[in-house]
Formats: sequence, C-alpha cells, structure tokens
Amino acid sequence: AQTVTQSQPEMSVQEAETVTLSCTYDTSESNYYLFWYKQPPSRQMILVIRQEAYKQQNATENRFSVNFQKAAKSFSLKISDSQLGDTAMYFCAFMKPSGTYKYIFGTGTRLKVLA
Amino acid sequence: DTAVSQTPKYLVTQMGNDKSIKCEQNLGHDTMYWYKQDSKKFLKIMFSYNNKELIINETVPNRFSPKSPDKAHLNLHINSLELGDSAVYFCASSQSRRATNEKLFFGSGTQLSVL
Repeated sequence: AQTVTQSQPEMSVQEAETVTLSCTYDTSESNYYLFWYKQPPSRQMILVIRQEAYKQQNATENRFSVNFQKAAKSFSLKISDSQLGDTAMYFCAFMKPSGTYKYIFGTGTRLKVLA
Repeated sequence: DTAVSQTPKYLVTQMGNDKSIKCEQNLGHDTMYWYKQDSKKFLKIMFSYNNKELIINETVPNRFSPKSPDKAHLNLHINSLELGDSAVYFCASSQSRRATNEKLFFGSGTQLSVL
C-alpha cells in the first residue's frame, strides 16, 4: 500500500524568505501523480502544484516549485519569496492512476509566515 | 458559481442523532469523494463514487452511508452520531478517474460537532 510521510509538523519562515517542505512516499508503482495542497485558515483546500511521475522536469507555479526525486521517492515543495498569505497547512498527496484512483494524503505541515 | 458546494458548513448535534451532509458539484465531474479531517488535520478518504457507482469504501462504520442520486450529488448520512464523529468532512470531485490532468476540487468542508 502506498504511504505519504511529511516529517515536519510545523515550520515557520520570515516574509520574503524561502522555505522547503518535505514529503516522502512509498510505492512500487512507476506511474503516479503527486500533489501539494494548501489549506489556509479558511479551511478551503487549494491545489498548489502537481507533478506527473513520468515527467523528469520539476513542476513550477510562480513562487512554488517542487524537487521531485523519483528514485529517492521524495517530493519537496519550495516556496520562494514567502508571503503572509502562504500561512496554511500544506498537504502532500499521492495518486495512482489505476484501480480506484485513490488520493492518499500526508499528515500535513503547518507553515507560518512571520512578518 | 461555487464548483463544489456542501451544506451545512457547521453542524452541532447531540450524540445519538442522525444527520446528513449534502454535496453538489457543477463541474460535470464523474467522480466524487468524502474525506474526514480529524482534529490533528489528518485527511482520510471515506468513500468515492464514480458515475453513481461506489468504488472506494474504506473502513468506515456502517453508521455512515453515502448516497449518490446522480453524478453531480454525493450526500453523506450518519446514523447514531458518536463523539468520535466530530471532525471536518470534505466533499471533493475529480473530472474522471482516467483524466490526465487529474486533480481534486474540494468543497469548503462541514464542521461536525457531536455533543
């Protein structure tokens, strides 16, 4: 069974600085998708970034980028130029595009951006 | 315009009662989900329906019964509520299980408090 691990329960970063959130996963699959979701205090879950395992190039979305290391089964999220609005819970998620297509979430990292 | 809407946003009830949470998506998606987020923010899938067919049924007490009258709706009925059922329940949808641009769209959550 697939598992997703986020080893940092809480992190903080100064405004305008860069922070990296860690995520590792365990799977025997070769084809899958990885995601980072953000949950601000409003509770709404928002997709931040998505990576397809068959693509070697790391995904980027504006200030958000990932470091995808397939062999190491690592999928970290880098937030550059952190903003106060980035304060949220961040969840890493894994999905295998076959069978039940179930999304499996990590336990989350609470990120606080300090003014 | 809300893509995935769930009602109510807050639900406070007594132990032993029966309650329902409704979810509707207007995205034309084929697949809908119910997730439970506990007090530690852990997100765990409960059910998934694809075109009104149940495809994921995790280890959930049979007091929880999903109902999908059509592919745009997935309701969650809970019988004999217990204190441990207190959590935030999220509805989500995805285009289909085979779409290559797969991602989850979440509702804003229903915070259930059982007293």
